[in-house]
Amino acid sequence: AQKITQTQPGMFVQEKEAVTLDCTYDTSDQSYGLFWYKQPSSGEMIFLIYQGSYDEQNATEGRYSLNFQKARKSANLVISASQLGDSAMYFCAMREVDRGSTLGRLYFGRGTQLTVWP
Amino acid sequence: GAVVSQHPSRVICKSGTSVKIECRSLDFQATTMFWYRQFPKQSLMLMATSNEGSKATYEQGVEKDKFLINHASLTLSTLTVTSAHPEDSSFYICSATPGQAFFGQGTRLTVV
Repeated sequence: AQKITQTQPGMFVQEKEAVTLDCTYDTSDQSYGLFWYKQPSSGEMIFLIYQGSYDEQNATEGRYSLNFQKARKSANLVISASQLGDSAMYFCAMREVDRGSTLGRLYFGRGTQLTVWP
Repeated sequence: GAVVSQHPSRVICKSGTSVKIECRSLDFQATTMFWYRQFPKQSLMLMATSNEGSKATYEQGVEKDKFLINHASLTLSTLTVTSAHPEDSSFYICSATPGQAFFGQGTRLTVV
C-alpha cells in the first residue's frame, strides 16, 4: 500500500492567492515525521516544512503552513500569498522513526505540480 | 543549516563506462546517507541506505553489483554506476539526516 498519497497531479493558482496541496499518509507507527519539499525544474529538493507526529500545533514556516489532522492521517500544505516563483513540483514525505535499519529514510508521494499564474 | 553537497550535477557518459557520484555532508557527520533515483515526472524512489563502515542496504529490485555504494567516512558516500546503459539515465540524489532530511543538489546522468 502507498504510504504517502498525493491525489492532485497538478494544481493552478493565481498569484497572491492561497493554495492547498493535499497529502494523506499511512503508517502504524506512533512516532513519525511528515515533510514537504519543493522541487523546481533544476531538480534540487528544497525543504519547506516539518511536522512531528507528537506536535500538537500545526507547523508554520513563513508562507507555508501544514494542516495536520492526525485522526484523518492528512498533512496538507497551505501556501499563502502565492508567488510566481512557487511554481514547482511539491512532494509530501514521511519518515517512520521506529523502523530499525531504515531509520531516517523518507517515503515520498507522487508529487503535485503547482503552477502559479499572474 | 546543515548542507549536503553532491557532485557532479550533470554527467554524460558512454554506454559501458562507469560513473561515480559523490555525496558529502559539509558541516555534520552522517553515519547514514540515502540514495534515491528519480525518473522524469516521477517520485523519488529509495535505492539504498549507505552506512558508514559497513555494507549498504539495497532496496528490493536494485542491483547491488551495478550500483556500488561506498561510505568510507562520516562525511562521504559515493555511488558508482557500473557499466552504465541508457536505461540507467536518470536523476540521482542523496540525502543525509541529522534530524530533518537534507538533500544534495542531485546528479542528472545521461548514458549515450
